[in-house]
Amino acid sequence: KNEVEQSPQNLTAQEGEFITINCSYSVGISALHWLQQHPGGGIVSLFMLSSGKKKHGRLIATINIQEKHSSLHITASHPRDSAVYICAVVLTGNQFYFGTGTSLTVIP
Amino acid sequence: GAVVSQHPSWVICKSGTSVKIECRSLDFQATTMFWYRQFPKQSLMLMATSNEGSKATYEQGVEKDKFLINHASLTLSTLTVTSAHPEDSSFYICSARARGLAGTDTQYFGPGTRLTVL
Repeated sequence: KNEVEQSPQNLTAQEGEFITINCSYSVGISALHWLQQHPGGGIVSLFMLSSGKKKHGRLIATINIQEKHSSLHITASHPRDSAVYICAVVLTGNQFYFGTGTSLTVIP
Repeated sequence: GAVVSQHPSWVICKSGTSVKIECRSLDFQATTMFWYRQFPKQSLMLMATSNEGSKATYEQGVEKDKFLINHASLTLSTLTVTSAHPEDSSFYICSARARGLAGTDTQYFGPGTRLTVL
């Protein structure tokens, strides 16, 4: 059993659609990261959350600590948002568990 | 925001040669750096944790004599893949932990290095 589960695994959307990627975890955490991995492999840190909600441009991330769940939302999606989005949780002691990622393709 | 760089971004080498990958924190001091490996369509897997000035702690199944890690300064860690073989071909990613205000830690990821061993 994975400590971090993401859904969906693959997602195709039309440009402009609102997108939600979900992350559920089974362990107690000190923080949760959302990462974006581009087709070439490069990783960008999008958010680090320990509670509540954060917004950056068209990206919104929320976390519910009690329910052990986080969501990443993309508003007005664009083809350049096509990437793999990875949820990573941080345990006390700074151990990371990574989800297997959600592959997003946004079609023009 | 804080930036972590890796060099090179990609490397192709012959089997049996050694390859060094550098990870630098550009605008902060990183007391701890982490090295990950990612095989195609798989999640990131932690290889080792490196603290400045001390020996790295390797995860189970990672050969410390094959993957040499040196964390000589607060801004630089290197991973050397010794006697590389085709099965070492992978995407290697480092991350660096920054100590923020009030003692909170944030981890920043490098862009990764793609290694192909022929």
